[in-house]
Amino acid sequence: QSALTQPASVSGSPGQSITISCTGTSSDLGNYNRVSWYQQYPGKAPKLVIYEANKRPSGVSTRFSGSKSGNTASLTISGLQAEDEADYYCFSYAAISTYVFGTGTKVTVL
Amino acid sequence: QVHLVQSGAEVKTPGASVKVSCKASAYTFTGHYMHWVRQAPGQGLEWMGWISPNSGATKYAQKFQGRVTMTRDTSITTAYMELTRLTSDDTALYYCAREGTGDLQNYFDDWGQGTLVTVSS
Repeated sequence: QSALTQPASVSGSPGQSITISCTGTSSDLGNYNRVSWYQQYPGKAPKLVIYEANKRPSGVSTRFSGSKSGNTASLTISGLQAEDEADYYCFSYAAISTYVFGTGTKVTVL
Repeated sequence: QVHLVQSGAEVKTPGASVKVSCKASAYTFTGHYMHWVRQAPGQGLEWMGWISPNSGATKYAQKFQGRVTMTRDTSITTAYMELTRLTSDDTALYYCAREGTGDLQNYFDDWGQGTLVTVSS
């Protein structure tokens, strides 16, 4: 099972919107809506920010939104803030009860 | 408040095995699958597998088949991950992560603090 493909880095200025892509195959992300996104600060455990492709857990800022089309999922952060600077990982169900993470994207707030 | 507390850092020599524990509290241990995820230094997250604390059923990533064993002890609400035949490539921070239920099934709603395993001769 190969990792889902994400851009290594994405950057934006405060207030801007950025989008992180996550590309899989028809065997994993493309065939299931069980896609999630995790935010990870250095030295900390990851935190769920989007699940089922486009749903936000309780307590997560409305500035985070998700979508999926075909074999690609996307995470959009609107109104970028300094606190959004972190690593972001997509995660997908990949059949036969297995799962796979994306390669990870470092978000930099300029 | 859900709490997952992992065992302390380990240093192992190549070829050895390591067993990491994850003590759960403040929720029904058998009601949530437990996953294990690792992260090599400066690298991304890697899913290793899951265990059902209720039945003991497991599923491992193909990469770790034959080298990883996940178990649990329901009497002390603790999950374990044992990895054998360690190499330097296994040096990583190992996390346990609780899978949610209902809408959060298939997603991780809580994580342990991580256990650093260093493999070095």
